[in-house]
Amino acid sequence: NAGVMQNPRHLVRRRGQEARLRCSPMKGHSHVYWYRQLPEEGLKFMVYLQKENIIDESGMPKERFSAEFPKEGPSILRIQQVVRGDSAAYFCASSQLSGSTDTQYFGPGTRLTVL
Amino acid sequence: DQQVKQNSPSLSVQEGRISILNCDYTNSMFDYFLWYKKYPAEGPTFLISISSIKDKNEDGRFTVFLNKSAKHLSLHIVPSQPGDSAVYFCAARLYGQNFVFGPGTRLSVLP
Repeated sequence: NAGVMQNPRHLVRRRGQEARLRCSPMKGHSHVYWYRQLPEEGLKFMVYLQKENIIDESGMPKERFSAEFPKEGPSILRIQQVVRGDSAAYFCASSQLSGSTDTQYFGPGTRLTVL
Repeated sequence: DQQVKQNSPSLSVQEGRISILNCDYTNSMFDYFLWYKKYPAEGPTFLISISSIKDKNEDGRFTVFLNKSAKHLSLHIVPSQPGDSAVYFCAARLYGQNFVFGPGTRLSVLP
């Protein structure tokens, strides 16, 4: 009964490199959400995906950021040409249904540090 | 434009006493509310939720109260324990849309 899994837990990149963050939802969950937490701030919604579909990406920066949730395999949050301001904790959450009593369960997060 | 507010960044409570964490929201169309607890270097953990059709939900030491007319939500922890020391996030949702999180309140339970 594994929970939401994220890897890597820590990721260090130099400016201009690419960062790939992976999220495997809980078993039976088909909805995935990505959030970003900057130091001393709350959780900011980035993107909501279902299998092979992006449902809402209103919180995601228009440039350099992309996300996918393929039919097979984990969800990927990709950040191209990282900058220092991208340093943050990135959390993935998953849910079973998008109904009136839906609850999101979070993974342990990936801490991205951009040097 | 913060739709979900937690105006107290931090709160200290003596062990055994009641902890009350508050949350205010601006959108009267929010229909579902949750509280999450977060320890350092970990992901948020779901604590308790409440639907907008209720005004109270209880689970062990945790009780959430919803006052729709005041657009106010509170989490009561009784009795507080040192292991409850964490950051608590309030979240609210519009039906069919995503959750909006508050900035969090850091609770310290003193032994």
